[in-house]
Amino acid sequence: SQKIEQNSEALNIQEGKTATLTCNYTNYSPAYLQWYRQDPGRGPVFLLLIRENEKEKRKERLKVTFDTTLKQSLFHITASQPADSATYLCALDGDNFNKFYFGSGTKLNVKP
Amino acid sequence: NAGVTQTPKFQVLKTGQSMTLQCAQDMNHNSMYWYRQDPGMGLRLIYYSASEGTTDKGEVPNGYNVSRLNKREFSLRLESAAPSQTSVYFCASSTGTANTGELFFGEGSRLTVL
Repeated sequence: SQKIEQNSEALNIQEGKTATLTCNYTNYSPAYLQWYRQDPGRGPVFLLLIRENEKEKRKERLKVTFDTTLKQSLFHITASQPADSATYLCALDGDNFNKFYFGSGTKLNVKP
Repeated sequence: NAGVTQTPKFQVLKTGQSMTLQCAQDMNHNSMYWYRQDPGMGLRLIYYSASEGTTDKGEVPNGYNVSRLNKREFSLRLESAAPSQTSVYFCASSTGTANTGELFFGEGSRLTVL
């Protein structure tokens, strides 16, 4: 069966450290993968998109890697801040580029 | 610029009642989506519409119907609500092109079925 797995346990880190979140998938062949941020009571907000032919993508303090052999994406936040505390969701296109499937998300807590 | 607007924001229904969740986007996007989010389950795709006049099932379509009224609007209907449909529902839209896949979400509609 198809699965998108993110660590269901919250990730607790100290301010200033690098947070690394993992997204693993099974039985998908995505053309691209996305990461979203979701705050409590709000809709998800798009952060980054990485295509299957890209190994790495950066945006300010954010970095995403995409390994189609391992079927895994890593999402890094460097110099983390308490304001980065939120749930982070990965999503990928399924049958076609119009259909997006999400993981269950990982909650990040950045402590001052 | 409103983006994606969902109504209502909150609704309580009794089992067997029907209702329609409304969604409108003002970004001239081709594709629109309905997701539900339950604790620990992430976002699950109910239905999506690649373009005006087309709709297709997602992961969990049973118990729901949709209408793509025009390019702006995509509604989700529960014909006979069940407690298992208690959830937070999100509407989203995207350009629908192969080069850009960013989804823009509404703020959610919180539905409780008693």
